[in-house]
Amino acid sequence: DAGVTQSPTHLIKTRGQHVTLRCSPISGHKSVSWYQQVLGQGPQFIFQYYEKEERGRGNFPDRFSARQFPNYSSELNVNALLLGDSALYLCASTGGGSTDTQYFGPGTRLTVL
Amino acid sequence: QQQVKQSPQSLIVQKGGISIINCAYENTAFDYFPWYQQFPGKGPALLIAIRPDVSEKKEGRFTISFNKSAKQFSLHIMDSQPGDSATYFCAASGGSQGNLIFGKGTKLSVKP
Repeated sequence: DAGVTQSPTHLIKTRGQHVTLRCSPISGHKSVSWYQQVLGQGPQFIFQYYEKEERGRGNFPDRFSARQFPNYSSELNVNALLLGDSALYLCASTGGGSTDTQYFGPGTRLTVL
Repeated sequence: QQQVKQSPQSLIVQKGGISIINCAYENTAFDYFPWYQQFPGKGPALLIAIRPDVSEKKEGRFTISFNKSAKQFSLHIMDSQPGDSATYFCAASGGSQGNLIFGKGTKLSVKP
């Protein structure tokens, strides 16, 4: 079975632009979470979606938004990019329970110039 | 506010030695404590996890020790190998949300 897949692998944008990152969860998983990992730090929680509904939101500005589709895949959108948004963006999927194991994808490396 | 504190920041161990990484948490609502291993350019991979109803869990060379009263847990890697060289993250979750709160990571280097 395929694990969590993310696209694109790498992305370079300039300040002020908009970006969309995509994630497909493990087959059968209904919950997707997004994390931001700045170089040298642990992942920071951005959003969690379950059955297309937002279940949780971390301490990120409104420039960050996400959605989950009927097939449980998800998009993370970031508007008005700042240099500080440069990071590895990770997607994790779970079956949906609050303490289910979260399986991470390989991430999308975003560089903002 | 950092809810999960991890130490040390970096660790160098000789091949065959024991690697020990410690974490402390603040939120007593946490009830799930996983450890993740991350190689450069890759996403974190679950190594082992524990829930507070047990004080220790062992899987192969990896052991989690959990002290609920002290709100601390640790990862022990026995017979450390050069292939174990990676960054290790402790995490915690629980309460009403399932999101993980991560420590800042420990970069482990195992010297041959």
